[in-house]
Amino acid sequence: DQQVKQNSPSLSVQEGRISILNCDYTNSMFDYFLWYKKYPAEGPTFLISISSIKDKNEDGRFTVFLNKSAKHLSLHIVPSQPGDSAVYFCAARDDSGGGADGLTFGKGTHLIIQP
Amino acid sequence: EPEVTQTPSHQVTQMGQEVILRCVPISNHLYFYWYRQILGQKVEFLVSFYNNEISEKSEIFDDQFSVERPDGSNFTLKIRSTKLEDSAMYFCASSERGVYSPLHFGNGTRLTVT
Repeated sequence: DQQVKQNSPSLSVQEGRISILNCDYTNSMFDYFLWYKKYPAEGPTFLISISSIKDKNEDGRFTVFLNKSAKHLSLHIVPSQPGDSAVYFCAARDDSGGGADGLTFGKGTHLIIQP
Repeated sequence: EPEVTQTPSHQVTQMGQEVILRCVPISNHLYFYWYRQILGQKVEFLVSFYNNEISEKSEIFDDQFSVERPDGSNFTLKIRSTKLEDSAMYFCASSERGVYSPLHFGNGTRLTVT
């Protein structure tokens, strides 16, 4: 039961170019979405989030786009830097329970920035 | 920048033994969580904790698991009788306001059950 899907296990991008990471979801009750970055032997690090009432949120080099009708979100990194090489997780929260609901994670996409 | 700290970084235990994983959440955060990641699989939600009680738990969080906030700073996950399939990376997380504030994760405890 994959409610959050990241269909690309890995992505290779040249330094300086745009990295686009994609995420699809199936649960229409998801209303808050987050992207996390993870280096080996470390915990996930929060990058950027978006509420379902918005379609775009930007923070420096990172922009998240949300298409609710398509149940799709994407993370754009511009320009890509070597330090961006990591595993990126898409996560979503189901609003139906209220309170401190847990996140549902995708399986992650390993982004490799080529020099 | 404040961070979530977890100890130990690696715990090896024998099947059937009890383990306690420890976490110190960020001090002004009110919501606490445990997640786990089995090798090669996705990060999975275990339990959330607010106001000294469990708010939500997943199917994974069965009677073998328990959480506790024994004092004002620590947040623990206990596995009563470990099984081989409990081997995983366990992540503690905290958030300031729950639902619409991001979770901040610790670096995890790698639990190996032999």
